[in-house]
Amino acid sequence: ETGVTQTPRHLVMGMTNKKSLKCEQHLGHNAMYWYKQSAKKPLELMFVYNFKEQTENNSVPSRFSPECPNSSHLFLHLHTLQPEDSALYLCASSLIGSAGGNTIYFGEGSWLTVV
Amino acid sequence: TQLLEQSPQFLSIQEGENLTVYCNSSSVFSSLQWYRQEPGEGPVLLVTVVTGGEVKKLKRLTFQFGDARKDSSLHITAAQPGDTGLYLCAGEFWGGYNKLIFGAGTRLAVHP
Repeated sequence: ETGVTQTPRHLVMGMTNKKSLKCEQHLGHNAMYWYKQSAKKPLELMFVYNFKEQTENNSVPSRFSPECPNSSHLFLHLHTLQPEDSALYLCASSLIGSAGGNTIYFGEGSWLTVV
Repeated sequence: TQLLEQSPQFLSIQEGENLTVYCNSSSVFSSLQWYRQEPGEGPVLLVTVVTGGEVKKLKRLTFQFGDARKDSSLHITAAQPGDTGLYLCAGEFWGGYNKLIFGAGTRLAVHP
């Protein structure tokens, strides 16, 4: 239990569906992230939110739409995805400004399969 | 482009052997983290190093941060099957405020 909870853990969706991934952190952190992990590729940073404001959008296609209503919750809205979007989507959080480096804590991930 | 090179990519060893995983970059890190990830799970933090030359130990794992803060190593002594997993290094670069760059990972298999 890392203090970062992701739901659902597994999701299968068609290319015309609309679904959302949810993330909640109980660590009192002020930054939240979405990462994508595909086979044979390094972890790819998708979005960063500091204090609910989006500070990074790493050239992510518009079919991925993040939402951060407060510093504890983060969503990733998915629509008209492609099969190559199938991957493990990881949410993470950190405490920006703390001494000792920006250590981020990951959730267990949401396995997404697009059919 | 800031890149983090991790080596080796794969490592298959027998129980009891020692091993070292390396993480290198041409850029200077402000901090570096090591994570371990098991199949179907998110990465779990092992250690954060911040000071050049720093050495941290976690049971049989020894983490070293290079003096110039451009490289790091993870050494495992007397590896056990429970050490099997994907080891990831992640660096925070000067000026890359709260943006961690990950290496491709080292997939370790320890056989009984």
